[in-house]
Amino acid sequence: GENVEQHPSTLSVQEGDSAVIKCTYSDSASNYFPWYKQELGKRPQLIIDIRSNVGEKKDQRIAVTLNKTAKHFSLHITETQPEDSAVYFCAASKASGTYKYIFGTGTRLKVLA
Amino acid sequence: ETGVTQTPRHLVMGMTNKKSLKCEQHLGHNAMYWYKQSAKKPLELMFVYNFKEQTENNSVPSRFSPECPNSSHLFLHLHTLQPEDSALYLCASSPAHGDEQYFGPGTRLTVT
Repeated sequence: GENVEQHPSTLSVQEGDSAVIKCTYSDSASNYFPWYKQELGKRPQLIIDIRSNVGEKKDQRIAVTLNKTAKHFSLHITETQPEDSAVYFCAASKASGTYKYIFGTGTRLKVLA
Repeated sequence: ETGVTQTPRHLVMGMTNKKSLKCEQHLGHNAMYWYKQSAKKPLELMFVYNFKEQTENNSVPSRFSPECPNSSHLFLHLHTLQPEDSALYLCASSPAHGDEQYFGPGTRLTVT
């Protein structure tokens, strides 16, 4: 069945360094790719998303890139800060045909001060 | 506040009990979802409702029964659960299928 693989499962970086999280999806019909941040004990919240008609999107220190041919997309966080520490989930979705919204397994990011 | 509320926030129930989880969204969205979040597992989509019609049931056991009386309210009725059903149950809503989802705070369920 369709799935989304996410790597790494844990990531530790020094404050100020960059962090990259990668996801690969299997369903080539997926056309929407959101990233969610979940802090400890809190709900997941959308931080950035990208649709299949663009290759890159940036919002301040956060960027997402999409390679439709290879079926993978990545989250890039620059100049990391301690408050970036959280679990990050990618997801792949398609709204046409059978509805699917599949999450990756999550990456626990620790930013060391 | 994201506009999605869930009650109760914590629930402990025995395997023979019947309980219900409630979700309400104040965002005017048309789609609502139930997810199960277990430790070290991805978010598992359970049910999807679009314009209060169920559009997805991801092979969820019948001991979980959803109800969507209108686009703003979603319930998850629980009966004869198993200890492995203990998890965080998250509700979410989106303007339409395929849009960004707004999550509620979740209900932490423990089945004893």
